[in-house]
Amino acid sequence: QITLKESGPTLVKPTQTLTLTCTFSGFSLNTFGVGVGWIRQPPGKALEWLALVYWDDDKRYSPSLKSSLTITRDTSKNQVFLTMTNMDPVDTATYYCARLTTVTTRNAFDVWGQGTMVTVSS
Amino acid sequence: SDVLTQSPSVSVAPGQTARITCGGNYIGGKSVHWYQQRPGQAPVLVVYDDGHRPSGIPERISGSNSGNTATLTISRVEAGDEADYYCQVWDSASDQRVFGGGTKLTVL
Repeated sequence: QITLKESGPTLVKPTQTLTLTCTFSGFSLNTFGVGVGWIRQPPGKALEWLALVYWDDDKRYSPSLKSSLTITRDTSKNQVFLTMTNMDPVDTATYYCARLTTVTTRNAFDVWGQGTMVTVSS
Repeated sequence: SDVLTQSPSVSVAPGQTARITCGGNYIGGKSVHWYQQRPGQAPVLVVYDDGHRPSGIPERISGSNSGNTATLTISRVEAGDEADYYCQVWDSASDQRVFGGGTKLTVL
């Protein structure tokens, strides 16, 4: 069974740095064609893709947020991390991590975590 | 980057067919995925690569993609289909991913 779970602070202050952790099981991020991505959703709004790390440690970022995002991984612990600097109230959202498969689903996010709500407020 | 346009809402009676569209420049040349998000839940992949269904997704859910429009079709709509539906494109040239604005499906 494949599962992913997000964790991190629920409240951050403006200008602070947010670090989220995605802990997964049931697959390996060392497997060819596999990736883990981050997607967020402000309350009542649409999904927004943020970042992705591939099995070979290659990384991709949303162009609009690239300067504030860093995605890293620890394959020995089955974890992926997202760091977002200079947080703003507009970054208040539910943050999801999800598995991506390049081969079997042609780059779809086929399994999602439950999401973690992050509020940015002073 | 790609801009994907979805109608904000679609309403359909039980047993009828719902069609949810996703518009974008030359979207027919890209791989489109669809996600269902029920209230308070995480998204679930229901169609990948234009028209393929993951295991466990019923056959009455299908997808197509041509020209500037991709379409998610739900036949014999049930109350449990009421959800937000998002299209997502993978642009192989830039290796970027974009989501549409979402469509709320209401079952009357």
